Amino acid sequence: ETGVTQTPRHLVMGMTNKKSLKCEQHLGHNAMYWYKQSAKKPLELMFVYNFKEQTENNSVPSRFSPECPNSSHLFLHLHTLQPEDSALYLCASSQERVEVMAKNIQYFGAGTRLSVL
Amino acid sequence: AQSVSQHNHHVILSEAASLELGCNYSYGGTVNLFWYVQYPGQHLQLLLKYFSGDPLVKGIKGFEAEFIKSKFSFNLRKPSVQWSDTAEYFCAVIFRGSQGNLIFGKGTKLSVKP
Repeated sequence: ETGVTQTPRHLVMGMTNKKSLKCEQHLGHNAMYWYKQSAKKPLELMFVYNFKEQTENNSVPSRFSPECPNSSHLFLHLHTLQPEDSALYLCASSQERVEVMAKNIQYFGAGTRLSVL
Repeated sequence: AQSVSQHNHHVILSEAASLELGCNYSYGGTVNLFWYVQYPGQHLQLLLKYFSGDPLVKGIKGFEAEFIKSKFSFNLRKPSVQWSDTAEYFCAVIFRGSQGNLIFGKGTKLSVKP
């Protein structure tokens, strides 16, 4: 275990549904990340939070809405998704989001496998 | 644009064969370099990292990687693979000025035949 827990592990939803993905880290980190992993494509960074503040939104469609109530929890709220949004969604955390090298090591959860029908 | 290239999409080896997976990155400045491994159904796990110093880096499970600055490369090696090394391997880079964002390659799937 990495200390980063994602729930649910699998999710099937229709295009009109609203659902949320949850990520929790027990590492005492202050930065959290959402990534999208699609087949045959590099991991795509979606959002970054540093000390609960969103510091990066990588041109993600508004049907994905992140929430970070505290440094240990990160949510990804989903609504009116498209079939092409089906992917593995990964959460990661690091000590901080800074240029200082040692604090940049990211630890990943096992992901949520999302299927949009 | 900053990018990371992994040249091999799928590598198939027999047990005890030697492994080398290629990774090249696009930028000539200061970088932090990583290799992650993802076993089937499991989380991405850090294999090794390079920040500075000795360009030959030792990681877990007998893996090593060599940073060759002149070639913008960070290839992963293992002298003798095992069936349990079957997994997907990702090279990732933090470029100076990116505020710590990891840029990933597309990954290389390794299948080891027993």
